Amino acid sequence: GNSVTQMEGPVTLSEEAFLTINCTYTATGYPSLFWYVQYPGEGLQLLLKATKADDKGSNKGFEATYRKETTSFHLEKGSVQVSDSAVYFCALRIHQAGTALIFGKGTTLSVSS
Amino acid sequence: DAMVIQNPRYQVTQFGKPVTLSCSQTLNHNVMYWYQQKSSQAPKLLFHYYDKDFNNEADTPDNFQSRRPNTSFCFLDIRSPGLGDAAMYLCATSRDPSPMNTEAFFGQGTRLTVV
Repeated sequence: GNSVTQMEGPVTLSEEAFLTINCTYTATGYPSLFWYVQYPGEGLQLLLKATKADDKGSNKGFEATYRKETTSFHLEKGSVQVSDSAVYFCALRIHQAGTALIFGKGTTLSVSS
Repeated sequence: DAMVIQNPRYQVTQFGKPVTLSCSQTLNHNVMYWYQQKSSQAPKLLFHYYDKDFNNEADTPDNFQSRRPNTSFCFLDIRSPGLGDAAMYLCATSRDPSPMNTEAFFGQGTRLTVV
């Protein structure tokens, strides 16, 4: 089946620290990969995406590279800010009409000043 | 400008009293989804509409129903809410088929409380 596995949280960092949140996937088809962010009390916002192997998605200083050989899509940021505190969800979607996003369990990031 | 709008943001309902949550979109996307998200958990897909075709997930309780009267609107009906149905309900849309633009756009969610 199709699934996403994220590292367990919470992740607690000081401002300007380096962030890595691991994400691996299994897929029966050929997926696109996504990172969504959810701030407290809000819906999900797309942070970045990659639609084929070796693509790098980037946004707001966050990056993730689609690694087909390791079935991974790890999220990284070189210097986190307090405003990055949120829950981060890794997700995949198979390239097939009518399929929905499949989410990982989410990783809570807490950044302190 | 909000593209997927959910109303209300917060809904309190009584145990067993039917409740309807609404979602509208200005994106003209043909696919609309409803997810349930309980505290500290991943969103769980309840069902989705592909155009007018309704697709129910196998483990979605019969207590949950949906209507899509037109492209722009979709409703989630909970016929007899139980305490276990308290959650954030997320509506999302996407355009299919479009393999290079497969992201979903989410509303801000409706937080449902059952008392």
